[in-house]
Amino acid sequence: GNSVTQMEGPVTLSEEAFLTINCTYTATGYPSLFWYVQYPGEGLQLLLKATKADDKGSNKGFEATYRKETTSFHLEKGSVQVSDSAVYFCALTSTDSWGKLQFGAGTQVVVTP
Amino acid sequence: KAGVTQTPRYLIKTRGQQVTLSCSPISGHRSVSWYQQTPGQGLQFLFEYFSETQRNKGNFPGRFSGRQFSNSRSEMNVSTLELGDSALYLCASSTPISGNTYNEQFFGPGTRLTVL
Repeated sequence: GNSVTQMEGPVTLSEEAFLTINCTYTATGYPSLFWYVQYPGEGLQLLLKATKADDKGSNKGFEATYRKETTSFHLEKGSVQVSDSAVYFCALTSTDSWGKLQFGAGTQVVVTP
Repeated sequence: KAGVTQTPRYLIKTRGQQVTLSCSPISGHRSVSWYQQTPGQGLQFLFEYFSETQRNKGNFPGRFSGRQFSNSRSEMNVSTLELGDSALYLCASSTPISGNTYNEQFFGPGTRLTVL
């Protein structure tokens, strides 16, 4: 079956530091990959996506590249802000499970001034 | 365009009771998925409906059920509530497109269910 593994948190950073959150996956079919973000007390917001190998998703300074050879989709941001403090989820959906997102455990990121 | 709405936002029930949660998808979205979020198990898929038909189901007991109406609104029901059913229940909607490309799912704010 499909699965997503992401690095455990919490990740604590100072403002303007570089952020990387590792995500690897196993999947049947042809997965699409996503990063979602959850702020306290809220639902999930899509941060970025990539639907085929070598695609790069980007949004709000965050980037992730779909690497089929390493089955990875690592999230990066060059300079974090306090407002980036949240929980980040890597997720996938694939051709044999349309409508079902398989999530990683989530990584809490704390950015201090 | 209005986002995904879920009602109620908060619920408190006692063990043995049943509960119904409602989800209104984004206008034009025909697929609705439900997820349970708990600190211990994370985000787990419950089921997905498309055009009033359940297409995918997660690994939950039969106490968890759902349905979708002709206007794409969806409800999920949990019968005989247990303490472990306390969770944030999230609904998401999306539009399917052809081939190997999927539209992202848009999430509502969730319903926080507490079982006492």
